[in-house]
Amino acid sequence: AQSVTQPDIHITVSEGASLELRCNYSYGATPYLFWYVQSPGQGLQLLLKYFSGDTLVQGIKGFEAEFKRSQSSFNLRKPSVHWSDAAEYFCAVAFTGGGNKLTFGTGTQLKVEL
Amino acid sequence: EPEVTQTPSHQVTQMGQEVILRCVPISNHLYFYWYRQILGQKVEFLVSFYNNEISEKSEIFDDQFSVERPDGSNFTLKIRSTKLEDSAMYFCASSPKPNQPQHFGDGTRLSIL
Repeated sequence: AQSVTQPDIHITVSEGASLELRCNYSYGATPYLFWYVQSPGQGLQLLLKYFSGDTLVQGIKGFEAEFKRSQSSFNLRKPSVHWSDAAEYFCAVAFTGGGNKLTFGTGTQLKVEL
Repeated sequence: EPEVTQTPSHQVTQMGQEVILRCVPISNHLYFYWYRQILGQKVEFLVSFYNNEISEKSEIFDDQFSVERPDGSNFTLKIRSTKLEDSAMYFCASSPKPNQPQHFGDGTRLSIL
């Protein structure tokens, strides 16, 4: 079955440190890939997306993600984390031929230590 | 920047009652969605809607649920005879085209007592 995995439930980093959040998917073809962020009491805000082309995509708030077909991964990175980045991050996938629905990972809760 | 707006932000309802969650999608978007997130769990797809009909629904979206676009701006999710397990955050989303990024509202927290 098609699935999305975010192996890290919680991650804590120091402000200014680099960040990488992992996302893997299980699917026979290349899906459409997204990262969303959810702050407490807020909705889901799109950080970035990958449809095709350059496998390194830039998003808002200084985030980037790299699609690696060989690893079925779409990891989110930021070179220097700010305290305001503390939130929950969701990887989401739209499987081609699966309609428009998004399949979400379980999320990674990011805590930033000052 | 255009936003998806959802009302109310919090709805408390007695079990067995009907509830209607309301959404105003972004005005030039044509595809509309409902998702839910039970506390501590992942976001789950409920239904997608295009051209005044359901285009896809999950197994969660049973006969208890219905969606409607009653006018040119609103998109509603109705839950008939609510159950305790319907307690969740419900998110509305919209997109201009299929497989384009979906823009989410801030959600309605539904609490069933």
